[in-house]
Amino acid sequence: DIHLTQSPSFLSASVGDRVTVTCRASQGITNYLAWYQQKPGKAPNLLIYGASTLPSGVPSRFSGSGSGTDFTLTISSLQPEDLATYYCLQLSNYPFTFGQGTKLEIK
Amino acid sequence: EVQLVQSGPEVKKSGESLRISCKGSGYTFTRYWIAWVRQMPGKGLEWMGSIDPSDSYINYSPSFQGHVSISADKSISTAYLQWSSLMASDTAMYYCARHSTTSHGVVIYEYFDNWGQGSLVTVSS
Repeated sequence: DIHLTQSPSFLSASVGDRVTVTCRASQGITNYLAWYQQKPGKAPNLLIYGASTLPSGVPSRFSGSGSGTDFTLTISSLQPEDLATYYCLQLSNYPFTFGQGTKLEIK
Repeated sequence: EVQLVQSGPEVKKSGESLRISCKGSGYTFTRYWIAWVRQMPGKGLEWMGSIDPSDSYINYSPSFQGHVSISADKSISTAYLQWSSLMASDTAMYYCARHSTTSHGVVIYEYFDNWGQGSLVTVSS
């Protein structure tokens, strides 16, 4: 199985800050990586697929980059509604696997 | 509007059987796979498996194969997740999600785009 390690596991930042979450795969996955946002008590929401493509409706302050084993999710200017846990998901090989999550707190 | 509506919360005892459902609407049900994802209390997301409703072909995660069954009835646009003998460790929120693909040239990307609201399963020992 491909193991995804996210860092940090917990992040505290202020409104307006630039925030970066990383996801490292145990083996190369090209760019078959998606990012999800899960707000408390809600289902996950797709933010990015193909490592860097934003689906329609996702705010442009979210961006993704990376290829191979190292990936990044960036929020360019943190907003109060970005309070959530963020997960990466690899869809390169079965079984699909998620990272352990990064909990983002707003200071 | 694409919607996945899941069945309601369940409270069961160890050893009992259970089937939860996920009904799709607003799109052609047979054109997209359905994925099932588990979230144990206070924990992260785990992919359990995905089914192609057009022919019921299934990919299971080895972590779940043999303990759960995934199925679909395309005539009523509904996917199912089933247990024959629940354990207390099955206590979790279960989500279904539309498992989609997009082509960017020759590259095909997969992702889970639309999600159900979740079905909470509580199993007492």
